Amino acid sequence: QKEVEQDPGPLSVPEGAIVSLNCTYSNSAFQYFMWYRQYSRKGPELLMYTYSSGNKEDGRFTAQVDKSSKYISLFIRDSQPSDSATYLCAMTLSGNTPLVFGKGTRLSVIA
Amino acid sequence: DVKVTQSSRYLVKRTGEKVFLECVQDMDHENMFWYRQDPGLGLRLIYFSYDVKMKEKGDIPEGYSVSREKKERFSLILESASTNQTSMYLCASSYRTNTEAFFGQGTRLTVV
Repeated sequence: QKEVEQDPGPLSVPEGAIVSLNCTYSNSAFQYFMWYRQYSRKGPELLMYTYSSGNKEDGRFTAQVDKSSKYISLFIRDSQPSDSATYLCAMTLSGNTPLVFGKGTRLSVIA
Repeated sequence: DVKVTQSSRYLVKRTGEKVFLECVQDMDHENMFWYRQDPGLGLRLIYFSYDVKMKEKGDIPEGYSVSREKKERFSLILESASTNQTSMYLCASSYRTNTEAFFGQGTRLTVV
């Protein structure tokens, strides 16, 4: 079983839709959770960072962590064509361990 | 803003060549990382470094080595390039390993 599972998509939605992106993980010791956005031919950029369980909101983006289910989500409200990108979840333990990434979900928002 | 700069956006090298990929960060971060990204395989960690002259193997170190002589610079070396090393290479840095990583723009390497 992979440590972090993420549906690769592609996911295609109309402009204005609510988008839900998800990752599941197997290591219950993960404590730090992140979402990155990667545009084509660019490096990933951090979107959201959360510690442990709960929700975090930033504009149109909401990150949700459910440690009991080992499941994290990213919601995008009022999606825009500029949101078309690959979204990568990432997580890590405490201490000196590198991030573990999901494989990414490719999202297309159609105008 | 954190800036992570990779020396080349695109590189074409011949099989057997020794290849150097350079990465520089300007935020005095302790940690630096090299990943490769391939379709369907996602980001895979090659090597990382906690400090100057320190290095740790990631998930796929075979065929690669690294050098970190100065805190801000982390180099990835392909000792003898092979066609299966054709990939997008991404450098990243972070203040600590469990904090967010900041990525460079990537180097697309083609080995022919």
